[in-house]
Amino acid sequence: GENVEQHPSTLSVQEGDSAVIKCTYSDSASNYFPWYKQELGKRPQLIIDIRSNVGEKKDQRIAVTLNKTAKHFSLHITETQPEDSAVYFCAATRSAGNKLTFGGGTRVLVKP
Amino acid sequence: SAVISQKPSRDICQRGTSLTIQCQVDSQVTMMFWYRQQPGQSLTLIATANQGSEATYESGFVIDKFPISRPNLTFSTLTVSNMSPEDSSIYLCSHPGTGGGETQYFGPGTRLLVL
Repeated sequence: GENVEQHPSTLSVQEGDSAVIKCTYSDSASNYFPWYKQELGKRPQLIIDIRSNVGEKKDQRIAVTLNKTAKHFSLHITETQPEDSAVYFCAATRSAGNKLTFGGGTRVLVKP
Repeated sequence: SAVISQKPSRDICQRGTSLTIQCQVDSQVTMMFWYRQQPGQSLTLIATANQGSEATYESGFVIDKFPISRPNLTFSTLTVSNMSPEDSSIYLCSHPGTGGGETQYFGPGTRLLVL
C-alpha cells in the first residue's frame, strides 16, 4: 500500500519568513495530493491540492510543487502570519475522492 | 461540498463499554470514510463505508472491534466496541463531495476518552 513520509515534524519560523514542508510517497500510481491544515481542536481543512498532470499550483501565499519522478511534493507558505500556525498534513491517493494516506504531520509555529 | 456532522462531539467512556458515533451528510454521497486520529498523531483510515454492502477495513482494523453501518447515502455509524484506554482518539468521518473527483471533506470529529 501507499506510504507517505513528511518532514519536518515541527517547524518554527519568524513572521514574514517562508515555510516549506516536504513529503515523499511510495506508490507510483498515486496521482492526487492534497494538503490539509488542522488548527487545535478543529477538523482538517483542505488548503490546496495538486494532480499528477501538474507540476506546480499556487493560491495566494500558498504553493505546492510535485516531482513525479522523484515521488515527492512540497508545500510552500510565503510571508507567514501568526494565523498560519497549525498542523499541516500532506496526503496521497490514486484518485481524488478515494481513501487518503496521510503523512505524519508538521506542526508549524509562526512567531510574531 | 455537502455539510457533514457528527454526534456525539465528545464522550468519556468506561473500559469494556461500546460507543456508536453517527455521521450525517446533508446530500447523498457515494463513499464515506472513517479515520482515527490518536493524540498528537496523524489520521489513519479505519474503513470505507459502502452503501448496501459491508465496509472495507484497512489492515489492523477489524469488523468485530469497529462495526460500521451505512444504511443510506447520507448516513453512517461507527461503533467502537469493548473499549480500552488505547481507543482514546478523535474519530472523524469524511466524504469525497457530491461533484465527483473532489478531495475529502471531514466531519468535526468525535473526541473519545476511555478511562
